[in-house]
Amino acid sequence: QKEVEQDPGPLSVPEGAIVSLNCTYSNSAFQYFMWYRQYSRKGPELLMYTYSSGNKEDGRFTAQVDKSSKYISLFIRDSQPSDSATYLCAMSEGSNYKLTFGKGTLLTVNP
Amino acid sequence: NAGVTQTPKFQVLKTGQSMTLQCAQDMNHNSMYWYRQDPGMGLRLIYYSASEGTTDKGEVPNGYNVSRLNKREFSLRLESAAPSQTSVYFCARALETGVRETQYFGPGTRLLVL
Repeated sequence: QKEVEQDPGPLSVPEGAIVSLNCTYSNSAFQYFMWYRQYSRKGPELLMYTYSSGNKEDGRFTAQVDKSSKYISLFIRDSQPSDSATYLCAMSEGSNYKLTFGKGTLLTVNP
Repeated sequence: NAGVTQTPKFQVLKTGQSMTLQCAQDMNHNSMYWYRQDPGMGLRLIYYSASEGTTDKGEVPNGYNVSRLNKREFSLRLESAAPSQTSVYFCARALETGVRETQYFGPGTRLLVL
């Protein structure tokens, strides 16, 4: 079993829709959870960062972590065409310098 | 570019040729990383450097060497390129303490090995 599983999509939604992106993981030692956004032919950019369980909101983006279920989510409200990108989840134990990434979900928001 | 610059942007090599990918950060952070990204494989860590003067292997180090020249620069060398090394290579930096796992990526180098 891979440490981090992420549905690769592709996911296509109309503009204004609520988008839910998810990752599951198997390593209970993960404490730090991140979401990166990657536009085509660009480097990943940090979108959200959370520590342990709970929710974090930043504008139209909400990150949720449920450590008991080993499940993390990213919600995008009022999605825009500019949100079209690949979204990567990433996580770390915090005791080393390594991130473990999901393979990414390709999202297209149609005008 | 999140304070990370990578050169070159694109390179074509023939099998057996060598080259060095350059990475520099302007944020004075201790940790730097090299990843490769392949379709369907996600981001895989090649090498990382937790601080100046130290380097460690990641998930896929074979065929690569690294040099942490100083705090600012971290280079990746392919001594004898193989077609399997065709990929997009990303360098990243990370904050020193607390949220050191929060990594910031450069724009990438696209490498094609024929």
